[in-house]
Amino acid sequence: AQSVTQLGSHVSVSEGALVLLRCNYSSSVPPYLFWYVQYPNQGLQLLLKYTSAATLVKGINGFEAEFKKSETSFHLTKPSAHMSDAAEYFCAVTPNTNAGKSTFGDGTTLTVKP
Amino acid sequence: EAQVTQNPRYLITVTGKKLTVTCSQNMNHEYMSWYRQDPGLGLRQIYYSMNVEVTDKGDVPEGYKVSRKEKRNFPLILESPSPNQTSLYFCASSLSRQGNEKLFFGSGTQLSVL
Repeated sequence: AQSVTQLGSHVSVSEGALVLLRCNYSSSVPPYLFWYVQYPNQGLQLLLKYTSAATLVKGINGFEAEFKKSETSFHLTKPSAHMSDAAEYFCAVTPNTNAGKSTFGDGTTLTVKP
Repeated sequence: EAQVTQNPRYLITVTGKKLTVTCSQNMNHEYMSWYRQDPGLGLRQIYYSMNVEVTDKGDVPEGYKVSRKEKRNFPLILESPSPNQTSLYFCASSLSRQGNEKLFFGSGTQLSVL
């Protein structure tokens, strides 16, 4: 069974600092990988996704993530945090073998301090 | 506007009283899915549907039912709700059965079972 681990349920950074949110997955075959963001009182929206075309994936709002097969990781980064980035972030995987199943991590709440 | 619409947004009910949460999408998506979100547990998949009349269990299907009689609708039914089903529920859809398709989420339904 696949699983997703997000290290750190809460991450706090200063405005302008680097954002790093960690995601590791367990799967015998590299799955499809996603990062979603949830703003307060809203549903989730896609930030970016990895589908094997390129290991470095660029998403919306200046976020990017790098797929590292050897480390089974898909960490999310942004060079300079903005106050509007404060939200909850979820890493998710869908296996190649069963496109219907989706597994989400527990989420990381990002706080941005002025 | 392309969207996934869930109703109601908030619902308070009592143990054992049957309820239905509706979900409708206007994007002609093949795939639809239900999730529940609980603090510290991320999103957990309840049921999903790859197409009309095709549904399958996710990770936490106990106590829930679904049906997919039409492509646009995917209601979630709780025939005898219990307090442990108090949660935030999200419906999501995607264009196709391909695992690399992004999910579009509804705004959520906050359910409280007393």
